[in-house]
Amino acid sequence: DAGITQSPRHKVTETGTPVTLRCHQTENHRYMYWYRQDPGHGLRLIHYSYGVKDTDKGEVSDGYSVSRSKTEDFLLTLESATSSQTSVYFCAMSLTSSAEQYFGPGTRLTVT
Amino acid sequence: DQQVKQNSPSLSVQEGRISILNCDYTNSMFDYFLWYKKYPAEGPTFLISISSIKDKNEDGRFTVFLNKSAKHLSLHIVPSQPGDSAVYFCAAGVSNAGGTSYGKLTFGQGTILTVHP
Repeated sequence: DAGITQSPRHKVTETGTPVTLRCHQTENHRYMYWYRQDPGHGLRLIHYSYGVKDTDKGEVSDGYSVSRSKTEDFLLTLESATSSQTSVYFCAMSLTSSAEQYFGPGTRLTVT
Repeated sequence: DQQVKQNSPSLSVQEGRISILNCDYTNSMFDYFLWYKKYPAEGPTFLISISSIKDKNEDGRFTVFLNKSAKHLSLHIVPSQPGDSAVYFCAAGVSNAGGTSYGKLTFGQGTILTVHP
């Protein structure tokens, strides 16, 4: 949906460099999430946020950090990119903690 | 430890027939379940959900069935259309009764559905 966007949509970076992916929503949803999608694994939760400045780790958080300084923005940072972080990254939002999540279009990240 | 499993990587169906996608889970704390559809180069889109207090939920051509004793859910698409060809993910979550779930979802690996004209 147009209510949630991701930037960049594609990125190629070198091993060891920091990378920041941005998720922006215009729906004033409280909850936001970062997932990665890899073949054979479905979508796996990296980090999530339950409010401004309130974040916590998901299933595969090693090597990633997040920040949420405004309701509408949720940033994912790869502190020092590795080839194992080559993946497609999706952010999502939900209005309540038990509502359906709405996903952004994804960012394809390649670490060389 | 795969708590949500979709054991069929792919399914091929003729247009007009029924598509049945299956999903199994192991965590008895899960109390709501969702199905998402994903086209290539797009984000997943929400299809239908079901709470554990129900055993069936229907929305147009899509019906989800939940068998709690077997820890199994299925998505039925009737009739199937070529535009339904996509990857389907099931997901499970624990509702926020205790204030700590925060809407975290666990996804299955996905099933590629191909509907032939």
